[in-house]
Amino acid sequence: AQSVAQPEDQVNVAEGNPLTVKCTYSVSGNPYLFWYVQYPNRGLQFLLKYITGDNLVKGSYGFEAEFNKSQTSFHLKKPSALVSDSALYFCAVRDMRSGANNLFFGTGTRLTVIP
Amino acid sequence: DVKVTQSSRYLVKRTGEKVFLECVQDMDHENMFWYRQDPGLGLRLIYFSYDVKMKEKGDIPEGYSVSREKKERFSLILESASTNQTSMYLCASRGLYNEQFFGPGTRLTVL
Repeated sequence: AQSVAQPEDQVNVAEGNPLTVKCTYSVSGNPYLFWYVQYPNRGLQFLLKYITGDNLVKGSYGFEAEFNKSQTSFHLKKPSALVSDSALYFCAVRDMRSGANNLFFGTGTRLTVIP
Repeated sequence: DVKVTQSSRYLVKRTGEKVFLECVQDMDHENMFWYRQDPGLGLRLIYFSYDVKMKEKGDIPEGYSVSREKKERFSLILESASTNQTSMYLCASRGLYNEQFFGPGTRLTVL
């Protein structure tokens, strides 16, 4: 069965420090992996995706993610956190159960960047 | 830019009422989705649609139905609202590379 795990409900980091938001997955076949961000009272915004190619994927707002097949992980990273990065982050994997390419989402990680 | 709009940002309804949530996308996407978001549970798929008049149940379809009469519009219907349907409802459409584009969400409260 496929799944996505975000092991941390909450991550706190000081402004200017590097941040990491963790995601691990379990799928059969090659995964399509995604990161989304949600600001308060807003819908989800697409950050980046991995489908194939380089394991390091660069996305919006200076974020990047590293695909690690051996560890089945897709952690989101940023070299220097901003207070404005404080939000809810979701990892997602393509749902292989249907032909519509649904996404299966993790439970989310709340990132707080402390000034 | 892809734009997905939802008819209401906030909605308050009473138990037993019929509720319509509307979603419109402007990118001619074939696939559209309805999710509900609850704290600690992430996003859960209610229904999705491949194309006009085509729909499939997601993971939690009970108590909901959908309608897709036009390609750009995907409606979620709560036939008889219940308090356990109080939630944030998010609509999305799927782009060319499997990424989904989300609307701003409708926060529904059922009293």
